[in-house]
Amino acid sequence: EAGVAQSPRYKIIEKRQSVAFWCNPISGHATLYWYQQILGQGPKLLIQFQNNGVVDDSQLPKDRFSAERLKGVDSTLKIQPAKLEDSAVYLCASSFGQSALGTDTQYFGPGTRLTVL
Amino acid sequence: RKEVEQDPGPFNVPEGATVAFNCTYSNSASQSFFWYRQDCRKEPKLLMSVYSSGNEDGRFTAQLNRASQYISLLIRDSKLSDSATYLCVVNRGGGSYIPTFGRGTSLIVHP
Repeated sequence: EAGVAQSPRYKIIEKRQSVAFWCNPISGHATLYWYQQILGQGPKLLIQFQNNGVVDDSQLPKDRFSAERLKGVDSTLKIQPAKLEDSAVYLCASSFGQSALGTDTQYFGPGTRLTVL
Repeated sequence: RKEVEQDPGPFNVPEGATVAFNCTYSNSASQSFFWYRQDCRKEPKLLMSVYSSGNEDGRFTAQLNRASQYISLLIRDSKLSDSATYLCVVNRGGGSYIPTFGRGTSLIVHP
């Protein structure tokens, strides 16, 4: 079974530029998550989708970050304009999303390592 | 108080040792709990879910204490390959199961 795919794997940009990340979840997974992981910290949830609806985006800096999941499958996360503090690994994860008890396993992609200069 | 708190370590132990990590959470309505493992520069992977009655998987034992709002992970007979960061994950309740990760606890197992 194919895992979660993400691209690009690495990106270097200058501050104030824009950048976009792409995620393709495991086939059939209804829930998709975007996380930001800064070095030495745990992943921080930015946005969670259930199919193509947003479950939670309370920690998404909406003045510069946006995300969409068209047709409930692939998703893109965009940063515009980027700041130095956005340097991090951006992880996408997916889960089956059908557990009544919230016990679904999250499967992570390899992440995109973003450096903002 | 942070939603999910972990001692970052590092825990530096010899092979064969037993080591335990705790993770505290602040939301008493939290419904589901997990331990994920993250190797250096890799993505997190599920190690085990944590059930109310406690559960064991080989050398790993997870416990949940709802009254004191913490979960624990015990690793027996540590191997060099257990060296990694162990992330505690707590899902907020209320039907939406929104996950919160702790900052992780670093384990280094040495010969």
